[in-house]
Amino acid sequence: DAGITQSPRHKVTETGTPVTLRCHQTENHRYMYWYRQDPGHGLRLIHYSYGVKDTDKGEVSDGYSVSRSKTEDFLLTLESATSSQTSVYFCAISESHTDTQYFGPGTRLTVL
Amino acid sequence: DAKTTQPNSMESNEEEPVHLPCNHSTISGTDYIHWYRQLPSQGPEYVIHGLTSNVNNRMASLAIAEDRKSSTLILHRATLRDAAVYYCIPQNPSGNTGKLIFGQGTTLQVKP
Repeated sequence: DAGITQSPRHKVTETGTPVTLRCHQTENHRYMYWYRQDPGHGLRLIHYSYGVKDTDKGEVSDGYSVSRSKTEDFLLTLESATSSQTSVYFCAISESHTDTQYFGPGTRLTVL
Repeated sequence: DAKTTQPNSMESNEEEPVHLPCNHSTISGTDYIHWYRQLPSQGPEYVIHGLTSNVNNRMASLAIAEDRKSSTLILHRATLRDAAVYYCIPQNPSGNTGKLIFGQGTTLQVKP
């Protein structure tokens, strides 16, 4: 299995609070991705990174920011969490944009 | 981005072959066809991918129609562990995001 961990695995928070989710990899892959998965929707891309300090928006980026200060870590921040951001968040990595993506175990976030 | 159509659900008996169809009639000539699956409470995992020729690996086979408007994922002997949601995903390698667009997928139930 690819070395990908996500933390925390579960989190319950209140509306308006900031939340940061962490994705950590030990594979030295260049690309990292954040997806969210909601009932009735497939996984949707939030943000992705193609190198240290190189990030770009996905299709559902509003209300989220990301940072990547080193190869192994990709952080997803909800500046002010809303109930609509209750979801399961998956991180993925790949060597290049055309290579297989390996997914982490997910973080279940509940915003009350 | 190419649209895909997959059956919502399918059933199979254990140790029997399973053919999971996918229609991708709007696929472009350079899109690869990827298949991922998602076991319950886990992140998606790569199954197989191809461009024009049929492909085999240790997990499955991928049969691609000659006109590339459809493909079929073949599990040669289904096991209980193969119960999952299977996603067919065309991906354009010329883009630089690596974005995977997950549809609703096919939920495969495997009966003992």
